[in-house]
Amino acid sequence: DAKTTQPTSMDCAEGRAANLPCNHSTISGNEYVYWYRQIHSQGPQYIIHGLKNNETNEMASLIITEDRKSSTLILPHATLRDTAVYYCIVRQAAGNKLTFGGGTRVLVKP
Amino acid sequence: DSGVTQTPKHLITATGQRVTLRCSPRSGDLSVYWYQQSLDQGLQFLIQYYNGEERAKGNILERFSAQQFPDLHSELNLSSLELGDSALYFCASSVGGQVNSPLHFGNGTRLTVT
Repeated sequence: DAKTTQPTSMDCAEGRAANLPCNHSTISGNEYVYWYRQIHSQGPQYIIHGLKNNETNEMASLIITEDRKSSTLILPHATLRDTAVYYCIVRQAAGNKLTFGGGTRVLVKP
Repeated sequence: DSGVTQTPKHLITATGQRVTLRCSPRSGDLSVYWYQQSLDQGLQFLIQYYNGEERAKGNILERFSAQQFPDLHSELNLSSLELGDSALYFCASSVGGQVNSPLHFGNGTRLTVT
């Protein structure tokens, strides 16, 4: 699987937008970018995924650069409940599994 | 609620014992995945089943085995348990095996081996 690089941790203020970066410079043309988060020891929660176009759902927006070598997950209005570890994953077309890295530990502060 | 159900939530057992973890996928999902999360290893993929057949294998020990039944529920069997097997075990499901079909995770079984 293509390797991703994320900051180890970041803080953001409650009510503000949280922008989580991810580098995936070795991504192939048929690989998707997925974002998950894990709150404490709960199961990973699916957030959003995309191939090359920007995507938005009720949880977040995903911005993928034109060369697809990096992406940004945007949480538009962070709440304390968004405190979690966020994982950026590049998923191969040939395989079905998700390979989790270390993720970004996000702390939302009042 | 992801719709994926895992039982039991907690399991405490002794070294050398055998346990079975159960997973019910979301309605309509044909693929089931098992992951292990320990403190020092992060989330590790173990094995995937699709409609009853093994599809992919990850870092699954020979002491561990899994199967998916005709009703699509899955079981992960862990035998000859060691202290190092203490971890969270997550099951996930997806509609099929397509790369654009998200996995949805259950809330896991916490296994403690004493």
